[in-house]
Amino acid sequence: GDSVTQMEGPVTLSEEAFLTINCTYTATGYPSLFWYVQYPGEGLQLLLKATKADDKGSNKGFEATYRKETTSFHLEKGSVQVSDSAVYFCALIRNSGNTPLVFGKGTRLSVIA
Amino acid sequence: KAGVTQTPRYLIKTRGQQVTLSCSPISGHRSVSWYQQTPGQGLQFLFEYFSETQRNKGNFPGRFSGRQFSNSRSEMNVSTLELGDSALYLCASSNSAYGETQYFGPGTRLLVL
Repeated sequence: GDSVTQMEGPVTLSEEAFLTINCTYTATGYPSLFWYVQYPGEGLQLLLKATKADDKGSNKGFEATYRKETTSFHLEKGSVQVSDSAVYFCALIRNSGNTPLVFGKGTRLSVIA
Repeated sequence: KAGVTQTPRYLIKTRGQQVTLSCSPISGHRSVSWYQQTPGQGLQFLFEYFSETQRNKGNFPGRFSGRQFSNSRSEMNVSTLELGDSALYLCASSNSAYGETQYFGPGTRLLVL
């Protein structure tokens, strides 16, 4: 079945450091890919998405590129802030057929001043 | 446009009781999905409703049920609560098409004692 694998956390970075959170997927066909973020005590917020190969999703300084050849969707940010501390989830959904979102296990990011 | 709303935000129940959670989707969205989030199992899909019909169901026991009303609002019910049902229950809404982006509410945190 479909699956998403994220790098294990937690990830601890200093403010202004470069961030990469790895995400790879296994899916039938060409799914849409997402990054969601969850701040403490809150639900999931859509951070960015990409719907086809080579698409780049971006938002709030975060970027991720849909790489079909490596089945990856790594999240990057050039300079993290303390306010970026949260749990980040990579997810996919098929573009055909009735299937739900499939999530990775999440990566906790802590940014220290 | 208002986001997805869920009520109540917090709930404490005892084993054997039942509980009903409510979700109001984004205006115009006709699909509502429910997910359970626990530290051990991560995010797991419960079910999805579209136009008052259950369109997809995850691998949960029959104690978990749901419904959707004509205004797209949805409820989920858990009967005969068990300690392991303690979790954050997240509702997400999307447009009708498969593979569409899902937008999440803040969740209902259920504690079973």
